[in-house]
Amino acid sequence: GENVEQHPSTLSVQEGDSAVIKCTYSDSASNYFPWYKQELGKRPQLIIDIRSNVGEKKDQRIAVTLNKTAKHFSLHITETQPEDSAVYFCAGGGGSNYKLTFGKGTLLTVNP
Amino acid sequence: DAMVIQNPRYQVTQFGKPVTLSCSQTLNHNVMYWYQQKSSQAPKLLFHYYDKDFNNEADTPDNFQSRRPNTSFCFLDIRSPGLGDAAMYLCATSRDGDGETQYFGPGTRLLVL
Repeated sequence: GENVEQHPSTLSVQEGDSAVIKCTYSDSASNYFPWYKQELGKRPQLIIDIRSNVGEKKDQRIAVTLNKTAKHFSLHITETQPEDSAVYFCAGGGGSNYKLTFGKGTLLTVNP
Repeated sequence: DAMVIQNPRYQVTQFGKPVTLSCSQTLNHNVMYWYQQKSSQAPKLLFHYYDKDFNNEADTPDNFQSRRPNTSFCFLDIRSPGLGDAAMYLCATSRDGDGETQYFGPGTRLLVL
């Protein structure tokens, strides 16, 4: 089955700096890679996703890159704000089943 | 506007007393999922339904069961809750599952006394 590794587990940045979270996956059949943001006590919210037919996707301050050959994908947040503080989960899925495999999460803290 | 609804939001039960959590969706999605999430951990998939087809994860305890009586509703039954079952339970849906976005409900936080 799919295995998704996520790094770092915690990340602390100053407001205005960029943050990068990286994930690797094992199943070459996976073709869908979402990123979820989860604030304390709330549901995971999809912030951006990418499919294996593109290498990069951007939505305002958030971007995701995908390297299929190396089987890794990354989340980039620019001009971070305190409200970006949350746990971020990457996931991989598609392929031969209907499941998503989640990384273990990254606690991002943006210091004012 | 609510798309994936979970009730109750908080549930307190006693050790060994059966409990049922419910999930409903207004999206008419084919796939419904149940996840368990413990503090500081990723959501852990318990099982999912593609329409009426039930798919259990290999490591889901027998204590956990699910029912999906129709497209809109799905239930999680915990037959004999133990202290280790205290967690947030998240329901999610996706249109078809394969490479589709999963939309999460707000979750039910279960406390076992």
